[in-house]
Amino acid sequence: SYELTQPPSVSVSPGETARITCSGDALPKQYAYWYQQKPGQAPVVVISKDSERPSGIPERFSGSSSGTTVTLTISGVQAEDEADYYCQSADSSGSYWVFGGGTKLTVL
Amino acid sequence: QMQLHESGPGLVKPSETLSLTCTVSGVSISTYYWSWIRQPPGKGLEWIGYIYYSGSTNYSPSLKSRVTISVDTSKNQLSLRLSSVTAADTAVYYCARVPDYVLYYMDVWGKGTTVTVSS
Repeated sequence: SYELTQPPSVSVSPGETARITCSGDALPKQYAYWYQQKPGQAPVVVISKDSERPSGIPERFSGSSSGTTVTLTISGVQAEDEADYYCQSADSSGSYWVFGGGTKLTVL
Repeated sequence: QMQLHESGPGLVKPSETLSLTCTVSGVSISTYYWSWIRQPPGKGLEWIGYIYYSGSTNYSPSLKSRVTISVDTSKNQLSLRLSSVTAADTAVYYCARVPDYVLYYMDVWGKGTTVTVSS
């Protein structure tokens, strides 16, 4: 089965830049999406199609792609950005959709 | 404004069938694909499957033998049935909209409903 791999945790101080990676063999062929999930809430899309920021998402959120790895970058991290972040994509055929294991972002 | 609302029994006995409904408001269910996702307590998200109003479905291989997703266009609802449940099926279950089938993601989510499998 297809898997996406994320680091379990990332910690940064306020104002610093946080980078969360997601690796998967099919990422050169399939777009990746990033969701932010705060405790007790449903996930919210913060990046779509590798690097597009949906309406209403702050400019400090950005995404990039290189080979089999995609990266979510949060510049000038704020306390409110503390949350779990999940990447999501599909296998090479598009039939099997999958989430990464999630990364807990801690703002120190 | 589009809204999704999941509902169903909060407690299901082991070996029985879990049945949930997602009521969609603000948009016709016939316009998009729709998906179910779940999240066990303290764990990550797991995609369950998706459906189009025509009845076309696709399921996660790990759940395919036990899951059925259906739609009722007259009620603007989609449903999830998961058979032979065990404690491992305890989770928050979300329904979500797939804005474009070829983009493989969910952009609008319901708040989720908690299902506990226990005798």
